Amino acid sequence: QQQVKQSPQSLIVQKGGISIINCAYENTAFDYFPWYQQFPGKGPALLIAIRPDVSEKKEGRFTISFNKSAKQFSLHIMDSQPGDSATYFCAASRYNQGGKLIFGQGTELSVKP
Amino acid sequence: DVKVTQSSRYLVKRTGEKVFLECVQDMDHENMFWYRQDPGLGLRLIYFSYDVKMKEKGDIPEGYSVSREKKERFSLILESASTNQTSMYLCASGEGTLNYEQYFGPGTRLTVT
Repeated sequence: QQQVKQSPQSLIVQKGGISIINCAYENTAFDYFPWYQQFPGKGPALLIAIRPDVSEKKEGRFTISFNKSAKQFSLHIMDSQPGDSATYFCAASRYNQGGKLIFGQGTELSVKP
Repeated sequence: DVKVTQSSRYLVKRTGEKVFLECVQDMDHENMFWYRQDPGLGLRLIYFSYDVKMKEKGDIPEGYSVSREKKERFSLILESASTNQTSMYLCASGEGTLNYEQYFGPGTRLTVT
């Protein structure tokens, strides 16, 4: 049972373009939605996160859009750069689960120069 | 700067061997986690611990056990390694109360032959 579904599995974007990765969740009790970024040979690292009381959060070129009614959230990377090439994971968590995260399947992003 | 270290980057073991994967964190975090990462499946939680000597099963605990004798150290044990346990294993730690961010180690690539 996959509680968080992520798409696409892979994405190729030209430098300067917009990268969009989507996630859908099932459990309405989730209250924390982070995105993690993983470079080859490294562990994932928190990129940006949102709670369901807001519809959008922006940090630099990275934006999370959140649609509570549709149970979907997405990551937008504006002005994508080759250095953004990495694997991205969305995740979700419930407030009483001790920070336990449910991860999506991952998206391998390649930004071409 | 939070640091999570894992005892080995690469490990090759034979079927039936007992395997120990060690993880140490230096931030006095309450929570520690073990995940396995497989292409197309994302990160799946094996076990987590919210206090010394306390542990809870994750989504895929079969064939694994864990030990947490000290707060900073969390070990994953494969009692009798099998080829379907060939994977990347990631350890993470986190505060787990108001801050759900998890900090990951670099991973151990385990191959069981």
